[in-house]
Amino acid sequence: QVQLVQSGAEVKKPGSSVKVSCKASGSSLRNYAITWVRQAPGQGLEWMGGISPLFGTANYAQKFQGRVSITADESTNTAYMDLNSLRSEDTAVYFCAREVGPWRWFDPWGQGTLVTVSS
Amino acid sequence: DIQMTQSPSSLSASVGDRVTITCRASQSISRNLNWYQQKPGKAPKLLIYAASTLHSGVPSRFSGSGSGTDFTLTISSLQPEDFATYYCQQTYSTLSLTFGGGTKVEIK
Repeated sequence: QVQLVQSGAEVKKPGSSVKVSCKASGSSLRNYAITWVRQAPGQGLEWMGGISPLFGTANYAQKFQGRVSITADESTNTAYMDLNSLRSEDTAVYFCAREVGPWRWFDPWGQGTLVTVSS
Repeated sequence: DIQMTQSPSSLSASVGDRVTITCRASQSISRNLNWYQQKPGKAPKLLIYAASTLHSGVPSRFSGSGSGTDFTLTISSLQPEDFATYYCQQTYSTLSLTFGGGTKVEIK
């Protein structure tokens, strides 16, 4: 049974960066893709991008191109999402999830990490 | 990007009601459509993938249908634990996996 456990809440200043981790247990990261989704307070879900550790390739939503980096460390079975040039609009809960199968559904999800951007 | 439009954005229903949520894509996405349920303060949970395949462990009162641009999620008999927000998601566009805006199901 795959489980994803994310790092704790962060408070950041505008213009800074944040790195959120997502540690997998129950299966090697190498076996599947990891995706990142965020949710601003009271808002819907927004896909940010994902990585396939097996192929070492990441792809990103156009909105976040140049500002986000998604990586994976197979030695620690951990994926990371790094978002820079933070602004107040980036205040959100950030989720990682396993991407499964040819239909690319997301299951399971991490518990979420609240990132607050405030001066 | 492919736009996903859900309707209604919210609805009020009673336990035992039949509930239908629709999701429309801005272009054909074949059957590349997934549905999720999210409760307050929790991560989303997968309900249905490939438009109509029930995920393991999901009660059979949930069903999905559709292909192309129009899709529906139906709850045949609403239960107390079903009050939540529901999202559709297209995975047809390999570079951009967009979600619908969500439908909040509330108690009448």
